[in-house]
Amino acid sequence: AQKVTQVQTEISVVEKEDVTLDCVYETRDTTYYLFWYKQPPSGELVFLIRRNSFDEQNEISGRYSWNFQKSTSSFNFTITASQVVDSAVYFCALGTDKLIFGTGTRLQVFP
Amino acid sequence: DTEVTQTPKHLVMGMTNKKSLKCEQHMGHRAMYWYKQKAKKPPELMFVYSYEKLSINESVPSRFSPECPNSSLLNLHLHALQPEDSALYLCASSLWTGKGEKLFFGSGTQLSVL
Repeated sequence: AQKVTQVQTEISVVEKEDVTLDCVYETRDTTYYLFWYKQPPSGELVFLIRRNSFDEQNEISGRYSWNFQKSTSSFNFTITASQVVDSAVYFCALGTDKLIFGTGTRLQVFP
Repeated sequence: DTEVTQTPKHLVMGMTNKKSLKCEQHMGHRAMYWYKQKAKKPPELMFVYSYEKLSINESVPSRFSPECPNSSLLNLHLHALQPEDSALYLCASSLWTGKGEKLFFGSGTQLSVL
């Protein structure tokens, strides 16, 4: 079975707090890709990151960082020093023969 | 130009109407997609076009009819829709249809069926 689970439906934080969005996936494929997309209120899904199954290096891009752990089938996303502009729905997705989205985590950052 | 442009942004239609959603990209991408997204749900794949040919139809009812006139354009023709078809319809494109391809999404058409 191919599945992506985002257990956090909604998270609320105050600006400057750090926040971690969890993502757990299931697949029997040995080659696959993991993605994070951001969907602000405007509706467009914005690509944030892609990792392939052979590259477990963590990645940092500005205030964003990603922790990929194959042993626990997790690909978690951390925003450091959150800002109001980070408020959006964030989707984790698994790329095999199709792109399978998790149910999304709505992040609200309050000033 | 890294944009996927969708028109219209909003559409209200009756159950007997015929309407079309349009999507355009000029990134030279050869794969284009239609997704349907209900409120507070993830996007669900409807159709995939690869090199202007329909490659995936996720068992979508025939009242939705996709068309890819050329590599830059994707249409979704709507006819005799039901109120439960009200949703955000997202178009996306990618270089090709490989499993690791990054998808570029448009802002969507918010469709209301009365």
